[in-house]
Formats: sequence, structure tokens, C-alpha cells
Amino acid sequence: DGGITQSPKYLFRKEGQNVTLSCEQNLNHDAMYWYRQDPGQGLRLIYYSQIVNDFQKGDIAEGYSVSREKKESFPLTVTSAQKNPTAFYLCASSIRSQGAVNEQFFGPGTRLTVL
Amino acid sequence: GEDVEQSLFLSVREGDSSVINCTYTDSSSTYLYWYKQEPGAGLQLLTYIFSNMDMKQDQRLTVLLNKKDKHLSLRIADTQTGDSAIYFCAESIGYGNKLVFGAGTILRVKS
Repeated sequence: DGGITQSPKYLFRKEGQNVTLSCEQNLNHDAMYWYRQDPGQGLRLIYYSQIVNDFQKGDIAEGYSVSREKKESFPLTVTSAQKNPTAFYLCASSIRSQGAVNEQFFGPGTRLTVL
Repeated sequence: GEDVEQSLFLSVREGDSSVINCTYTDSSSTYLYWYKQEPGAGLQLLTYIFSNMDMKQDQRLTVLLNKKDKHLSLRIADTQTGDSAIYFCAESIGYGNKLVFGAGTILRVKS
């Protein structure tokens, strides 16, 4: 049963704490992505990785960190330096399209609320 | 820089056609996409169009692309209540895997 999973679905943290969001895929995809979704702003790219042990900053990387030690996993850490972390976080994966169609497969999302 | 714009809200009656519009800025985009997001869930790809096409039809969905005006539209025929969702337009950037998404259009279907 192939797919992409994110856990937990809801996460509450106190201000000033780091928190790590999990993303796992068994689609054998090389590329993985983290997006942040806020009402009325659509999806904004935080980080992406096209291959294991390599990743690039997206448009809003400040206050976030990632690692890509395994092909299947791309965890996102929201650090205390992120000024406004409360949001819906979406992870996605795709094959490395190199100019062809890039269908990204999305997980169900994690809603992070910082109290 | 790259930018994708969409109107924020559309309301239609069940059985009518819906047309969701999008404009983009990167003329080198090779593919343009329409994704659907149901409440509290991730996005799923609905359809896409290659930049050298001007129309693509897939069952109830019709995509029109005006490359000169950088305008993309998605028409949903015979709209059903199950079509109520947020629809995102996206363009591919460069030769890599990055997509730039619009803010999404909320489609509300009234029965």
C-alpha cells in the first residue's frame, strides 16, 4: 500500500520549543518537499531534497531545518527561531522529473499550533 | 520572480459549469498543473497541461492555456457537491522539480 505519511496529524507545542514533524514515503521517490500553508496564501516551499544527503532552501527556510539521511524520510524541525510557526505543514514527494511532468504526491498534513 | 495568481472564491449551483482562472509569470514553464485539496487533507493532482498545448480535456475537466497572456483556466462541467474544495494552480520552474503554487480558489457548490 504505497503512499506518503505524516505524523502526528495535530501537534501542540509551547513557544520557544523546537518540534520535529515526520514525513515518510514508500513510493521510492527521490525528491521530497516541505510546504507551509496559511489561509489565503496557498503553499509556500520551505525546503526540498532531490536526493539523499542533499537538500536546498525554498522560499521561506528561515527558522526551519531538515535532514535527508534516508530516501524514505524527510523530517522537518521547526525551531524556536521561527517567528510564526502555527500553520498547516504539508510534505510531498515525486520522482526527479528533469523537465518532464512533476506530479507531487502529498501527505495528509500536520497542523502545528504553538501556544 | 515567479508568481501565480488566482481568484480566491467561486460559488456555483450544482449542475452548472465552474471556471477557475489562474495567471502565471514564468514564460519558461514547461508544465502547468491543477491540484485539488479537500478539507483538512493534502493536495492531489487533478490534471496538467504541457506548455505547447492550448487545450486538454479529461472527462468533466477542460484545461485551457493561453500562453501569450500566461492565462490558465480549469472548467468543471456538471459541477457536483463533491467538487467543493480548494483548487490550486501551479507552474513548474526551470528544469528541476520545483513548483510554484497559487493561493488557491475555494469552490463552493450549492445544491
